Amino acid sequence: TQLLEQSPQFLSIQEGENLTVYCNSSSVFSSLQWYRQEPGEGPVLLVTVVTGGEVKKLKRLTFQFGDARKDSSLHITAAQPGDTGLYLCAGQTYTGGFKTIFGAGTRLFVKA
Amino acid sequence: GAGVSQSPSNKVTEKGKDVELRCDPISGHTALYWYRQSLGQGLEFLIYFQGNSAPDKSGLPSDRFSAERTGGSVSTLTIQRTQQEDSAVYLCASNDGTDTGELFFGEGSRLTVL
Repeated sequence: TQLLEQSPQFLSIQEGENLTVYCNSSSVFSSLQWYRQEPGEGPVLLVTVVTGGEVKKLKRLTFQFGDARKDSSLHITAAQPGDTGLYLCAGQTYTGGFKTIFGAGTRLFVKA
Repeated sequence: GAGVSQSPSNKVTEKGKDVELRCDPISGHTALYWYRQSLGQGLEFLIYFQGNSAPDKSGLPSDRFSAERTGGSVSTLTIQRTQQEDSAVYLCASNDGTDTGELFFGEGSRLTVL
């Protein structure tokens, strides 16, 4: 069974602070995605990382895929209240098709 | 439609009744997923359909849960003899079946079992 563990589960910070969310597994993934979910809506894709060691930047968000493709991190610089939401990592493995499983999520609250 | 459509958006039922939840994926998407999300929690994988392959049912929590996907398009998740612990939001998603394919989600069906 592939499991994705996210930490921390909950994070409450002040506007302007930096934060990092971690996603770890003992399994190797062909790719890894990060999604963000707001209340009452489905998750929306932020980024997909494919190559071990890959780093992608999306404005104030930096995503890294571990060299062994088992873990990933999301770093937010100078967090804003608009960053508040549930952040989910999702890994893709091949089981006759590319199946996506999700971590438990990190709920971020940024206070103004 | 342009996006993933789910119905009903809300369902309140009594313990022991059966419920059916429907998902209409994006046209042309070969992969369809059902996930369950309890309040404030992550997404629990339930079942995965990919093209004409046998579905991956490894996430279904009990034999009260079943799902079908007819004609490679619309899917129905059925929960028999509902229990209070089945209360959750049931999310459907679809993609093109590739390893980097973005999952597009519906808005979910919120199930409340009294």
